[in-house]
Amino acid sequence: GQSLEQPSEVTAVEGAIVQINCTYQTSGFYGLSWYQQHDGGAPTFLSYNALDGLEETGRFSSFLSRSDSYGYLLLQELQMKDSASYFCAVRGSSASKIIFGSGTRLSIRP
Amino acid sequence: DGGITQSPKYLFRKEGQNVTLSCEQNLNHDAMYWYRQDPGQGLRLIYYSQIVNDFQKGDIAEGYSVSREKKESFPLTVTSAQKNPTAFYLCASSKTLPSNQPQHFGDGTRLSIL
Repeated sequence: GQSLEQPSEVTAVEGAIVQINCTYQTSGFYGLSWYQQHDGGAPTFLSYNALDGLEETGRFSSFLSRSDSYGYLLLQELQMKDSASYFCAVRGSSASKIIFGSGTRLSIRP
Repeated sequence: DGGITQSPKYLFRKEGQNVTLSCEQNLNHDAMYWYRQDPGQGLRLIYYSQIVNDFQKGDIAEGYSVSREKKESFPLTVTSAQKNPTAFYLCASSKTLPSNQPQHFGDGTRLSIL
């Protein structure tokens, strides 16, 4: 089967940096993605890693280590609007089947 | 603008009733998905379809059915066999290849039991 694990909650201070980890178990691997979801809204795509290393997109970066079945999302210069749930997702046994983690709720304090 | 449209936004089901949630996309995506999200939880895959007239069960398919007669449409029926249907239902679509293609989500349908 496939499974993903990520922390259920993370709290950080405005302006700081926070890292959200994700470990996965899949029978195949076509890439790790990250999505953001504000309360009551639809998930929106943030980043994708297929190869090892760091991908940077503005204040957000995502890292992947395929040998460790591990990735993380790094959010810098945190803003209050970054308060949301963040989900990692993998394409595992087939390129079309996408499985999501249970999500990490990020709360930001002033 | 292209996107995914889900309707209705809110839906109420009576005991023993089947209800159908609509999902339409004009992104020309081959793959479409249905997820269920319970309060404070992640997204669980119900069904997905890689191509017209073909679909596969996800992790929680029991009590649900789908069809994919057109590329643009992927309706989900919540049957009376689904005993706990109250949840937020999200439809998504993506290109199948290359595998870095992101999923695009609709705004969801909230289903409740009367």
